[in-house]
Amino acid sequence: QEQLVESGGGLVKPGRSLRLSCAASGFIFSDYYMTWIRQAPGKGLEWISYISSSGSAIYYADSVKGRFTISRDNAKNSLYLQMNSLRADDTAVYFCARGERSFYYDSSGADYFYYMDVWGKGTTVTVSS
Amino acid sequence: DIQMTQFPSSLSASVGDRVTITCRASQNIRSNLNWYQQKPGEAPKLLIYGASALQSGVPSRFSGSESGTDFSLTISSLQPEDFATYYCQQSYSTPPYTFGQGTKLEIK
Repeated sequence: QEQLVESGGGLVKPGRSLRLSCAASGFIFSDYYMTWIRQAPGKGLEWISYISSSGSAIYYADSVKGRFTISRDNAKNSLYLQMNSLRADDTAVYFCARGERSFYYDSSGADYFYYMDVWGKGTTVTVSS
Repeated sequence: DIQMTQFPSSLSASVGDRVTITCRASQNIRSNLNWYQQKPGEAPKLLIYGASALQSGVPSRFSGSESGTDFSLTISSLQPEDFATYYCQQSYSTPPYTFGQGTKLEIK
């Protein structure tokens, strides 16, 4: 059974750091890109970071660029998010999700659809003094 | 970055109704549009990818369509378990892969 389990959340003071982990099981972790998405209390989903299957391509949302670092250890089937200089508006549930892609071809040419098909249940980060 | 405008933000409907939720992209994203369903306290669940491809295991009452930069999710006959919040997400080219603001579907 394909599964993702996040951990590492908690209460932290503004300006401090926290490291989230996401443990994958039931699939070949190294075959998939991975993402982090967060959801502030009562708010919508916010995509925050992407890492390719090998770790060679990484992207961030502007809201976390320069403060958060995504990484992965394919030997340990694990994804990480190092969060530094935390702010109150980083308070959210953080989800990791598996990225899948499907090839398609239309009148504009060939490309891939990218989508997130397996999600963890999330871990809560609260930034407060 | 590509912006996604989703509407309505909330919708009241009854069991058996047909409902449609719309997302508009700020630029051409081809068919790179996904729909997710989220129930309170749960992780999102993928419903549709590539604008109209139904994810495995998702009931056929869910469908997706596109017209230019406008994308729609339609539920043909609402069931009690469909009352949830729905999000669109664009996944065109390189990230960021932005979400719409969400549509909360409530029981009338």
